[in-house]
Amino acid sequence: GESVGLHLPTLSVQEGDNSIINCAYSNSASDYFIWYKQESGKGPQFIIDIRSNMDKRQGQRVTVLLNKTVKHLSLQIAATQPGDSAVYFCAENIGGGYQKVTFGIGTKLQVIP
Amino acid sequence: SQTIHQWPATLVQPVGSPLSLECTVEGTSNPNLYWYRQAAGRGLQLLFYSVGIGQISSEVPQNLSASRPQDRQFILSSKKLLLSDSGFYLCAWSGGTGANGYTFGSGTRLTVV
Repeated sequence: GESVGLHLPTLSVQEGDNSIINCAYSNSASDYFIWYKQESGKGPQFIIDIRSNMDKRQGQRVTVLLNKTVKHLSLQIAATQPGDSAVYFCAENIGGGYQKVTFGIGTKLQVIP
Repeated sequence: SQTIHQWPATLVQPVGSPLSLECTVEGTSNPNLYWYRQAAGRGLQLLFYSVGIGQISSEVPQNLSASRPQDRQFILSSKKLLLSDSGFYLCAWSGGTGANGYTFGSGTRLTVV
């Protein structure tokens, strides 16, 4: 069925380097995408989102890129810090009267000091 | 501002015992409410969602049930817990008119022994 998945389950990055977390989605009807960060033992927290009419959106140290042609989503974290260590989930949403978001499995980001 | 409260934070229950996890939302009305389960090292599995009082939709057949007795209260229950019910349970809410993504509670770590 339609799903959202991640290419890499674990990513190790040196502190100060940039991180790129990738995500593939298969539902071409998805019109809204979200990245969440989940620290150990806590609930996921919203990082950044992007709508299907955009291909790039920037936040503070984070950038999300959307390539609808190949159904690919990525999260870029600039100057990765130890506090960025967490599991990152991408999620897709198909618009409607209510929201039902489908989450990927997640990528664990490990920042090496 | 909107807040979501989920309790308890941790719970250890014997097999065959009942379960009741509660989630409440403040600062918003008529939210969409969700229960997710996250097994260790895995993604988020949607269990139930509710778009209004008394309206519950189940995503997967299971040993659990959900109820929404009040607009901002969502309860996850079981009459008899199984070992396989162990996991990290997350409550979330979203706006019903396309608010951005979900806001998650802090989660309940359930261990069935």
